[in-house]
Amino acid sequence: SQTIHQWPATLVQPVGSPLSLECTVEGTSNPNLYWYRQAAGRGLQLLFYSVGIGQISSEVPQNLSASRPQDRQFILSSKKLLLSDSGFYLCAWGTGVNQPQHFGDGTRLSIL
Amino acid sequence: AQSVTQLGSHVSVSEGALVLLRCNYSSSVPPYLFWYVQYPNQGLQLLLKYTTGATLVKGINGFEAEFKKSETSFHLTKPSAHMSDAAEYFCAVSVASSASKIIFGSGTRLSIRP
Repeated sequence: SQTIHQWPATLVQPVGSPLSLECTVEGTSNPNLYWYRQAAGRGLQLLFYSVGIGQISSEVPQNLSASRPQDRQFILSSKKLLLSDSGFYLCAWGTGVNQPQHFGDGTRLSIL
Repeated sequence: AQSVTQLGSHVSVSEGALVLLRCNYSSSVPPYLFWYVQYPNQGLQLLLKYTTGATLVKGINGFEAEFKKSETSFHLTKPSAHMSDAAEYFCAVSVASSASKIIFGSGTRLSIRP
């Protein structure tokens, strides 16, 4: 069966520090991969998605970037974190058009 | 373009009572609809999905949803609420594109009173 792993579960970082969040999927090949951010008490905002290795699409201009170095690995990065980058970051994978997405357990990011 | 609207950001019911969470969709093509549940500090878990065919969809944890094209609705129900049902619920619609994006509603927080 397919599984998705996200780490770390929680992270506290100072303003201006770099960021790297990693997501890996097991049990499926060539998945579509997604990064979402969820602000406190709010809905999901799609940040990036990828349909293949090295293919990244950005939904919202921001301080973050994403990379997909391997088929089942998706990385969210920042060179310098802002206070507004705080939130709950969720990685998800999907198999195709009109199919559901499946989510990891998320990373709670707090910026001090 | 597709969209979903969840009516009510917070719903509170008594334990054992009917749960009804409302979702209306907008879509220019036949929609593919989903309900997800999110427990505190966890990711989203798929409850059920509507693709085509039967309009009454059964999901996990005793939940079900009925697709009503005439009302453009996809409401989520459960006959008898349990304390463990307290969570955030998201309605979502698939965007027909090569990236298989999904548009989520703003969510409804369900509270259960003892």
